[in-house]
Amino acid sequence: DVKVTQSSRYLVKRTGEKVFLECVQDMDHENMFWYRQDPGLGLRLIYFSYDVKMKEKGDIPEGYSVSREKKERFSLILESASTNQTSMYLCASSLAGEHLDTQYFGPGTRLTVL
Amino acid sequence: GEDVEQSLFLSVREGDSSVINCTYTDSSSTYLYWYKQEPGAGLQLLTYIFSNMDMKQDQRLTVLLNKKDKHLSLRIADTQTGDSAIYFCAEKWDSGAGSYQLTFGKGTKLSVIP
Repeated sequence: DVKVTQSSRYLVKRTGEKVFLECVQDMDHENMFWYRQDPGLGLRLIYFSYDVKMKEKGDIPEGYSVSREKKERFSLILESASTNQTSMYLCASSLAGEHLDTQYFGPGTRLTVL
Repeated sequence: GEDVEQSLFLSVREGDSSVINCTYTDSSSTYLYWYKQEPGAGLQLLTYIFSNMDMKQDQRLTVLLNKKDKHLSLRIADTQTGDSAIYFCAEKWDSGAGSYQLTFGKGTKLSVIP
């Protein structure tokens, strides 16, 4: 079974803090994604990566950065957290070249910025 | 990205059929998906349909695809309380240079009344 884990289920941070959200997958997937999920807005893609050290902006990259130093790990960084970044953050991974492109999701990190 | 639209809420009585509808915009989509998110969890792939199919049945689930109208539906027969969840429609689209992304709808929250 594919397993995607996220470092925290719940996180509370203060405005201006630097925040790291970690995601690890154990299936040797090339593709990894970070989404945020907000009520009434669904899932919005922040950043994605198709390979180590590769990153591409999604639909809402402002205020975020990412790091992919190892294939299994994809980190989302909030350089200076703001209250409008309070959200549920979901990480996903998928196998490159697979026609179906199934994305496997982690359980999510609910981040609250005070 | 592309646009995927779905209604936000649906309530049905236990034992009835549920029908969740979705419209999408990219006529070149190869795959369309239904993901399920149970409370407090990440998304899980529920079923999918390839674009050259009109219908796909999998136990209690029936997916109907109308390519002309770009309309996708998910029917759950004999809906159970365990089916209460948020259901996301998603389409796979070509983001260029051989890369693909998924665009998700906002999700339909299905509430099953005992």
